[in-house]
Amino acid sequence: GQQVMQIPQYQHVQEGEDFTTYCNSSTTLSNIQWYKQRPGGHPVFLIQLVKSGEVKKQKRLTFQFGEAKKNSSLHITATQTTDVGTYFCAGPDFGNEKLTFGTGTRLTIIP
Amino acid sequence: DAGVIQSPRHEVTEMGQEVTLRCKPISGHNSLFWYRQTMMRGLELLIYFNNNVPIDDSGMPEDRFSAKMPNASFSTLKIQPSEPRDSAVYFCASSFVLAGELFFGEGSRLTVL
Repeated sequence: GQQVMQIPQYQHVQEGEDFTTYCNSSTTLSNIQWYKQRPGGHPVFLIQLVKSGEVKKQKRLTFQFGEAKKNSSLHITATQTTDVGTYFCAGPDFGNEKLTFGTGTRLTIIP
Repeated sequence: DAGVIQSPRHEVTEMGQEVTLRCKPISGHNSLFWYRQTMMRGLELLIYFNNNVPIDDSGMPEDRFSAKMPNASFSTLKIQPSEPRDSAVYFCASSFVLAGELFFGEGSRLTVL
């Protein structure tokens, strides 16, 4: 079945440093979505990318969808304490509406 | 809108007991998903419905698990009998369209002793 892996599993950064998480799917995806889960909370939708090679920005966050539509990345510039949480990618493979979540990257910020 | 509503928020029960988790999706959303989250296995899709019809239950771990969606505004996930390894946070999520943005409830934290 479809597998979605993320690296790294954990990332500790000093406040103000940049952060990147990478997402890789075993199958081609029709779209990729990113979610953020704060400690003790529930996943919250951040963005959806659909087109091959697409790049979208939300303030300090930059999302990219790979040309082959099998990988994606999320980059945060100048991290802040409010960025703490676990970031998940999720995607359905073609012909399937099931949204499979990645393994997640837990970001902690050192003030 | 109040968002996706789940109950109970916390449940502690003993092995062998029946557990019923409830979910009210966002009005107008056609798809409903049940996920389970554990440290070891992450977020796992258990089952999803479209227009109240179960589409894929391949993620349901065993026959002890069952889910229903009798109408567009209510779904249940039942575990009978429960086991300690069922301890997890169970999330319900809904979306307007399949493969679209998911709106998650706050989750039901289940502890089976």
